[in-house]
Amino acid sequence: KAGVTQTPRYLIKTRGQQVTLSCSPISGHRSVSWYQQTPGQGLQFLFEYFSETQRNKGNFPGRFSGRQFSNSRSEMNVSTLELGDSALYLCASSLAGGRYNSPLHFGNGTRLTVT
Amino acid sequence: KNEVEQSPQNLTAQEGEFITINCSYSVGISALHWLQQHPGGGIVSLFMLSSGKKKHGRLIATINIQEKHSSLHITASHPRDSAVYICAPFGGATNKLIFGTGTLLAVQP
Repeated sequence: KAGVTQTPRYLIKTRGQQVTLSCSPISGHRSVSWYQQTPGQGLQFLFEYFSETQRNKGNFPGRFSGRQFSNSRSEMNVSTLELGDSALYLCASSLAGGRYNSPLHFGNGTRLTVT
Repeated sequence: KNEVEQSPQNLTAQEGEFITINCSYSVGISALHWLQQHPGGGIVSLFMLSSGKKKHGRLIATINIQEKHSSLHITASHPRDSAVYICAPFGGATNKLIFGTGTLLAVQP
């Protein structure tokens, strides 16, 4: 069974640009959640999508957005990039989003560098 | 005060030693995850538990819901166990993962 696939693996952008990251979940998983990891703040929850609906959202500005398609693939978008957005962005898929008996399966992440 | 506290932050052990990593949290939860992250970024979910104890190979995870405390134990540690271990409770009220700062474990041969 294929794992969670994130593309691209690495990305370099300049301030002010926007970026779109993609996450393909494990087949059958309807929940996709996104996380940001930085040396200073550690891992932080961005948002979760379940069956094409945003089910929960972390404390990030509106420049961070996402969506989920009918095949459960998800994208996240960051507009007007800032230097502080440089981070490893991870997505995870699961049957029910990390709650109760629903383990998370993580992708390898997209490392975004903003210059 | 952080909602999730892990200890120790750094741990160096000799191969074969028994290792314990502790996690305390202050919020109500529906489940708690233990994650492993190797250099390069990939995260693997080791355990998800909501009560009692789980064992997988040389790894054991326990949780005490009343005391809001969980532990991860590694028996007969090996250099390949060197990684960052992250405690991540799933908030019962917030319905989202909150993360500890992680424990950097180095097992020396």
